[in-house]
Amino acid sequence: QKEVEQNSGPLSVPEGAIASLNCTYSDRVSQSFFWYRQYSGKSPELIMSIYSNGDKEDGRFTAQLNKASQYVSLLIRDSQPSDSATYLCAVIQGAQKLVFGQGTRLTINP
Amino acid sequence: DAGVIQSPRHEVTEMGQEVTLRCKPISGHDYLFWYRQTMMRGLELLIYFNNNVPIDDSGMPEDRFSAKMPNASFSTLKIQPSEPRDSAVYFCASSNRSVPSPQHFGDGTRLSIL
Repeated sequence: QKEVEQNSGPLSVPEGAIASLNCTYSDRVSQSFFWYRQYSGKSPELIMSIYSNGDKEDGRFTAQLNKASQYVSLLIRDSQPSDSATYLCAVIQGAQKLVFGQGTRLTINP
Repeated sequence: DAGVIQSPRHEVTEMGQEVTLRCKPISGHDYLFWYRQTMMRGLELLIYFNNNVPIDDSGMPEDRFSAKMPNASFSTLKIQPSEPRDSAVYFCASSNRSVPSPQHFGDGTRLSIL
C-alpha cells in the first residue's frame, strides 16, 4: 500500500461546478496535511493546510480531514478554467518529512 | 521577499558528465529539501537538511548522488557520473522551524541526460 494515495484522474468538471479531490494515507499517527497545486511545467504551490478533523475553508477551497478514516479531501467550488492543474496531497511524517501522493489531474471545461 | 532560488533552470548534458544543481533557500528557513519529480515516480524526497546538517538521505538513489549545505543560504545536489535515467525535474524547497511548517518550492531544474 502506498503511503499517500490519490486517484490520478484525469478528473473532468464543468465550469462552475464543484470539483472534489480525494486522498487516503496509511500512517495513522500523521497529524499534518497539505494540498499543493501544480500547473504544467511549474513548481508545486501550497493552497491549503489542515491539521484538525473537520472542514477548513479558504475562499473557494475547502479541505476536509477525517483522521479516523485516514482520509483528506479538497473541494473547489465554482470551478474555473484556471483551476485546471494537478493537485498533490501531502502528509507530514515525523517532524518535517513530506510524503506526496501521485497527484490528481483536474480539467475544468468551459 | 525572494522565494527559493534554483539554478540552472535547464541543464542538458551527456551521460557520464558531472551535474551540479544549486539552491538558495528562503532567508530564515531552517529546513531545506531536495526532491525529484518524474512521470513514473511522482515527487520523491531525496534528502533534507536542518540547520545545514543532513537529517534523512534515505531517498538518495545511489552513491552517484551527493548533497551538501555549506551554509544557511546555499545547497548543492551533485550527480557524478550522470546517467540518462537521472533525467527529471529537481526541486528544492525550504521551510522554517515551526512544526508543522509548509514547504515552499523553487522553480526547479529540468535536467536532461543524453
